[in-house]
Amino acid sequence: DADVTQTPRNRITKTGKRIMLECSQTKGHDRMYWYRQDPGLGLRLIYYSFDVKDINKGEISDGYSVSRQAQAKFSLSLESAIPNQTALYFCATSERGTGELFFGEGSRLTVL
Amino acid sequence: RKEVEQDPGPFNVPEGATVAFNCTYSNSASQSFFWYRQDCRKEPKLLMSVYSSGNEDGRFTAQLNRASQYISLLIRDSKLSDSATYLCAVNSGGFKTIFGAGTRLFVKA
Repeated sequence: DADVTQTPRNRITKTGKRIMLECSQTKGHDRMYWYRQDPGLGLRLIYYSFDVKDINKGEISDGYSVSRQAQAKFSLSLESAIPNQTALYFCATSERGTGELFFGEGSRLTVL
Repeated sequence: RKEVEQDPGPFNVPEGATVAFNCTYSNSASQSFFWYRQDCRKEPKLLMSVYSSGNEDGRFTAQLNRASQYISLLIRDSKLSDSATYLCAVNSGGFKTIFGAGTRLFVKA
């Protein structure tokens, strides 16, 4: 089983719908992240969390919100999805004191 | 200018060739550097961290040049299985890691 698990793996939705992507981890890491990946743009940070009481915006947080329900769970929400949020979304974790990231398998979201 | 830049490639090389990728970064305060490998439609996976003194792991060698603000990855004796996208990543302290857009490598028989 993967140490960082994302659900759903694939989702097609319509403009205006609310979408939640979920991430859970068994690595015991404090830090969790959400990235999106678009062709030619690489990975861009949406939100990150140091621990359950700490949430921070990344470089492209507009249109997204997150919730850190527990140390092991970090969810990303799109309150009203729009087509330019079509992308591959990755959750990642890291251990305190290192910059090494461990990624989930990704969630491919298509907004029609 | 992007904070982390890579040549997107693709690099097409024959098996057994040596290939090198560079990655430049703009923030001189950057502290940690990494190379990740990403297979098509898969998640990135850490290939190696890049240390100031350089480091080697089998056929892979990573170098850091702080004066010129770039990191490099050298792959010797390329294998078909090395075909992937290679992402460089730079951390400026704290929790923000910036990724390059990736360099695609195709190794052909």
